[in-house]
Amino acid sequence: DGGITQSPKYLFRKEGQNVTLSCEQNLNHDAMYWYRQDPGQGLRLIYYSQIVNDFQKGDIAEGYSVSREKKESFPLTVTSAQKNPTAFYLCASSIVGTGNYGYTFGSGTRLTVV
Amino acid sequence: ILNVEQSPQSLHVQEGDSTNFTCSFPSSNFYALHWYRWETAKSPEALFVMTLNGDEKKKGRISATLNTKEGYSYLYIKGSQPEDSATYLCAFWDNNDMRFGAGTRLTVKP
Repeated sequence: DGGITQSPKYLFRKEGQNVTLSCEQNLNHDAMYWYRQDPGQGLRLIYYSQIVNDFQKGDIAEGYSVSREKKESFPLTVTSAQKNPTAFYLCASSIVGTGNYGYTFGSGTRLTVV
Repeated sequence: ILNVEQSPQSLHVQEGDSTNFTCSFPSSNFYALHWYRWETAKSPEALFVMTLNGDEKKKGRISATLNTKEGYSYLYIKGSQPEDSATYLCAFWDNNDMRFGAGTRLTVKP
């Protein structure tokens, strides 16, 4: 079955460490997205990519980095520069460039700074 | 940043009750409005994509309407069941990506 796989489900990070969240899809979607959710807030866009080797900053990109070396993969690195990284992170994919199709989401990664 | 507002924030109903909630979005430059259902510990699941003013969509006991001129959409659930308990998200397509509301958390008590 096609879908999006996010790993790990839970991640603990020490202060000052970089961590990478994995997102893989086998839907042949061109576009991939990373969102962050905090309690009581809507999903906020961190980065998105509409094509391999290209990506754009979203509303809250500071302290995060991404790469898109393969169509199937869009890993997110939470760097030590991100001051408040504890949150729930969702990855999504879609057919590129249109609002007529919904997103397919992964099941998320919960990151906690310890 | 475009604001998408959802109300109420949470809702508790009894099994069998019908319920509805609201999504408000910018009415200028409308392209598409999406509804998602997000059950605890699962991935958000697409319910409806709505693109035309006056659109009505239905899936089983769940339906949605769209008013692009005034910038709102309603989601209705008829005869709520415990399995309808979830967070319902609406999202406004903003050229290159989706802008999400904070969601309405529905709890249906048996």
